[in-house]
Amino acid sequence: RKEVEQDPGPFNVPEGATVAFNCTYSNSASQSFFWYRQDCRKEPKLLMSVYSSGNEDGRFTAQLNRASQYISLLIRDSKLSDSATYLCVVNIPPSSGSARQLTFGSGTQLTVLP
Amino acid sequence: EPEVTQTPSHQVTQMGQEVILRCVPISNHLYFYWYRQILGQKVEFLVSFYNNEISEKSEIFDDQFSVERPDGSNFTLKIRSTKLEDSAMYFCASTGWTGGLAGELFFGEGSRLTVL
Repeated sequence: RKEVEQDPGPFNVPEGATVAFNCTYSNSASQSFFWYRQDCRKEPKLLMSVYSSGNEDGRFTAQLNRASQYISLLIRDSKLSDSATYLCVVNIPPSSGSARQLTFGSGTQLTVLP
Repeated sequence: EPEVTQTPSHQVTQMGQEVILRCVPISNHLYFYWYRQILGQKVEFLVSFYNNEISEKSEIFDDQFSVERPDGSNFTLKIRSTKLEDSAMYFCASTGWTGGLAGELFFGEGSRLTVL
């Protein structure tokens, strides 16, 4: 099983649609979860952290299910500017050392159409 | 807003040549990272660096790779003898979290390496 697995898409949705992305992770000891956004040929940027209780930031809602080792991202009322690749990111506890590393999923590509 | 800066933005090199990619992390950050992304593929962890030493490295980070923080501001990635498969975008990142759970990584804009 891959450490972090995402549906690659692409998801092509009309403006205003609601779209949901899913992600599963394999290491049950993982403690931190994030959604990053990456525009074409640009660096990843943090979209939002994912908390155990679920959290919302405007049109974006993130959920975590530890029992199923599953993370989701919901985008409501999608905009053209939401077109990007969405990366599920999980911290993998280190085998040694103190700096935990983040492991990235392959990303889900979203295109919002006018 | 503080940012991570990387140079060069693009480097073309011949196979077998040495390459040094440079990064200036955000000034008060403590943890530094190199990631790479081969075109069309996922972002892959290479190495983390803390307190002037490597903290963790991946299988990709073999003897051809080394990192250094020579002067307290720059953080460099050296590839000793480049191979075709080293062609990728290399991202430097830093974070200010002081341990425990990982926090937000701030990425530079990347250095695109093309090996011919």
